[in-house]
Amino acid sequence: ETGVTQTPRHLVMGMTNKKSLKCEQHLGHNAMYWYKQSAKKPLELMFVYNFKEQTENNSVPSRFSPECPNSSHLFLHLHTLQPEDSALYLCASSQDFRVRAFFGQGTRLTVV
Amino acid sequence: AQKVTQAQTEISVVEKEDVTLDCVYETRDTTYYLFWYKQPPSGELVFLIRRNSFDEQNEISGRYSWNFQKSTSSFNFTITASQVVDSAVYFCALSEKNTNAGKSTFGDGTTLTVKP
Repeated sequence: ETGVTQTPRHLVMGMTNKKSLKCEQHLGHNAMYWYKQSAKKPLELMFVYNFKEQTENNSVPSRFSPECPNSSHLFLHLHTLQPEDSALYLCASSQDFRVRAFFGQGTRLTVV
Repeated sequence: AQKVTQAQTEISVVEKEDVTLDCVYETRDTTYYLFWYKQPPSGELVFLIRRNSFDEQNEISGRYSWNFQKSTSSFNFTITASQVVDSAVYFCALSEKNTNAGKSTFGDGTTLTVKP
C-alpha cells in the first residue's frame, strides 16, 4: 500500500465509449503523473502536474485528456480510444524533488 | 537525451541462487538520480533504492545490493539467495536533478523468475 489509489483496477471499453480513470493520493504531495505501460515497452511518461497545473504533455494524443482538480486527485478522461491504447496506466505522486515517486497499482485498460 | 538500458529481458534462476540485474544509463547531466523499482504481478511499482550520482558507495539492504560504477555508467542490482517472492519485473530508472521525482526515464525492465 503506497498511499496512491487508482480506480478502477480493470476496465474494458469499446472504441466509441467515454470513460475516466481516477487517481487519489493523501500523502500531501504536490506533483502527480500519468504513465502508460504497454506490453513489451518501457514505461512512458504521459503527463505531469505540479500544484494542479499541467507542466508536461509528452505528445499524448488528444483522445487522452487529463484533469487535476486539486493536488490530491488526478483523472484521465478517455474517448474514442484505439485497441493499441490497451495498456496498464499508472499514476504516481511525489513531493517536490524529494526522494522518490509513489506509484499506484494501475488500471489495466483493454480497448475492444 | 537520457537513456536507460536493461539488456536482460528475462532471467530465470532457481531459488537460493544469486542473480544480478544489469542497468546501463546515458545522460549528459553531471548530477542525476538512479532508481530501482520492483513491479510484482499486482502492478504497482515498489521503490527499492535511489542513488545520487555523487554517491558511488555501494549499498546493501538485506539480500539486496547495488553496485554503482560511474566510470562505466552502470547501476547493477544483485539479489543474494533469491526467493520465489523475488519473482517480478525490475526497472532501472534515471532522473535529472531538480526535476520532479516522478519524472524518470525507465529501462525496458527485466523479468525475473525464481523457481522453487
